[in-house]
Amino acid sequence: EVQLVESGGGLVQPGGSLRLSCAASGFTFNTYSINWVRQAPGKGLEWVSYISSIGTIYYADSVKGRFTISRDNAKNSLYLQMNSLRAEDTAVYYCARDQYGDYVFDSWGQGTLVTVSS
Amino acid sequence: QVVLTQSPSASASLGASVNLTCTLNSGHSTYAIAWHQQQPEKGPRYLMKVNSDGSHTKGDGIPDRFSGSSSGAERYLTISSLQSEDEADYYCQTWGTGIRVFGGGTKLTVL
Repeated sequence: EVQLVESGGGLVQPGGSLRLSCAASGFTFNTYSINWVRQAPGKGLEWVSYISSIGTIYYADSVKGRFTISRDNAKNSLYLQMNSLRAEDTAVYYCARDQYGDYVFDSWGQGTLVTVSS
Repeated sequence: QVVLTQSPSASASLGASVNLTCTLNSGHSTYAIAWHQQQPEKGPRYLMKVNSDGSHTKGDGIPDRFSGSSSGAERYLTISSLQSEDEADYYCQTWGTGIRVFGGGTKLTVL
């Protein structure tokens, strides 16, 4: 069974940093592209970042220059380093797997909440 | 830049059918999309991919009550024999080079 489990969320002050993790199991992690998607309270889904199996990376304009996505295939883990956090970054952050050879999100984690507030 | 438009809300009665619509903006009418369901207080779940020719591929375990279709720039999600657990937010999603895009979501109420 495919599982994606996020962790690392919490309360952080504006301007602070946080590192999210996503632990993957049930599939060959190093052959899949993975994304981060977030959802602000009461709002819709917003794509944040993407990393391919070979390390190609993309970011949404809203986080470019502040967030860094990375992966450790030996640990079957995905990460999101978030710096210079703003109130508008407050959201539940999900990791989502791309379907093999395609661009649909075919598996999702349960999410981790990040709250940016003083 | 591809944009997806969804109606904010929809409603239908228990046991009835409902069609949810996702519209691609001009110049992107051939794009495939995916549908995702988000039940209250839960993470999203992948339902299916819908191609421009109307063919669709469902995710694992998605009931036959869920189907997809297309017409021009519109992509549809049809849910038949509505059940109470179908009350949820439904998002369409597509992609471009280096980007993923979501529609604003449709909140489905089962009456």
